[in-house]
Order: sequence, then structure tokens, then C-alpha cells
Amino acid sequence: GQQLNQSPQSMFIQEGEDVSMNCTSSSIFNTWLWYKQDPGEGPVLLIALYKAGELTSNGRLTAQFGITRKDSFLNISASIPSDVGIYFCAGQVFGTYKYIFGTGTRLKVLA
Amino acid sequence: NAGVTQTPKFQVLKTGQSMTLQCAQDMNHNSMYWYRQDPGMGLRLIYYSASEGTTDKGEVPNGYNVSRLNKREFSLRLESAAPSQTSVYFCASSPGTGESNTEAFFGQGTRLTVV
Repeated sequence: GQQLNQSPQSMFIQEGEDVSMNCTSSSIFNTWLWYKQDPGEGPVLLIALYKAGELTSNGRLTAQFGITRKDSFLNISASIPSDVGIYFCAGQVFGTYKYIFGTGTRLKVLA
Repeated sequence: NAGVTQTPKFQVLKTGQSMTLQCAQDMNHNSMYWYRQDPGMGLRLIYYSASEGTTDKGEVPNGYNVSRLNKREFSLRLESAAPSQTSVYFCASSPGTGESNTEAFFGQGTRLTVV
């Protein structure tokens, strides 16, 4: 079945640093989504990408839909302590309404 | 507007017991999903549904059944719970069907322990 390879698995960074994470797959996706999950909560949508090459920002977050439709990245600028959490990428499988998730990037911010 | 509501939030079952996890959304979404989340494995799709009366298997459907009762509700049933089904279960919904480019929104999760 389809798989999303998300990296890195975890990151420890200093407050104020920029963060970059990415997802790759051998499959093509219609849509790329980025979520953040806090402990004990469900994933919350951060950014949605619909077109190959699309670059979208949401405050300090920027994400891009890869030209090949098989990858996406998320950047967080000037990280703050509340950025701590697990970030997931998800892809809508081409031709379906099914969403496949990456294994997550666990972010820890050191004040 | 509550979004996606899951009940119960916590449950402990004995091996072999059955139970149904409930999910309801009030966003008039067409598609609904059940995922399970295990440590280090992200979210894995169990079943999904594009409309009332239609369901499709995801990546890990074995040991589960689902019912799309109406547009709002999508339930997940464990007929004979096993310790391997200990997990956090998330329900999600999405406006679109087929090839519509839309987002999925999640509930708060049900934490299930099978002993």
C-alpha cells in the first residue's frame, strides 16, 4: 500500500531557530495536508496544499507541494515553546478520497 | 459548532468483549474516516466512507466493522477485542468525495485499552 516517509523523526531545537521537515512517497497525491498534534488531542490542520508547486504560508509556517506530486515540506520560522508537538503530513491518494499519514516529526523546543 | 465528536473518550475492555465507538460530525461533510494511532506509527486508516451506506477498507481493517448510519454518524465496532487493538482511535470527516481536494478534520480521540 501507499506509504509516506516523514523525516526527521524528532528534533530538538533552540527557541528562535527555524525548523524544516518533509514527507516523500512513491505515490502521487491530490492534496497534501500538514497537521499538529498536542498530547492527548486530535490532529489539528495547519496547512492544506492543492496544486503541484504550490507554496502556502500560515503565520510562521510555510509549506510546499512538490512538483512531482510525491513530496511536501513544512518550515517553521522563529520557533517558540508552544510549537512543541508532533507534526504529521498527510496525502490524499490520487483518484480517491483516502488520506494516508506520515509517521510524524516530534518537535521539542528548548527555551 | 462541535465539529467531530467521539464517544467514549476512554474505555477499558477485557479480551473477547465487544464494543462500538461512536463518531458524529455536524459539518455536513460527505466523507468520514476511522484511524488508529500507535506509538511511532502515525495514523493508520482502518475504514472510510464516502456516503451513507458505503464503506471501504483502509490499511488495517481486520478485527473491525463499521456502519455509516447516516450522513452525520460513522461507528466502529470491535466484535471480539484483542490486546493488539489497544490504541488511540480517531474519527475524521472531510467535505469532499472522490477526487475533490479537501481537508480532513479530526475528533479528540478514544483511548482504548484491551486487557
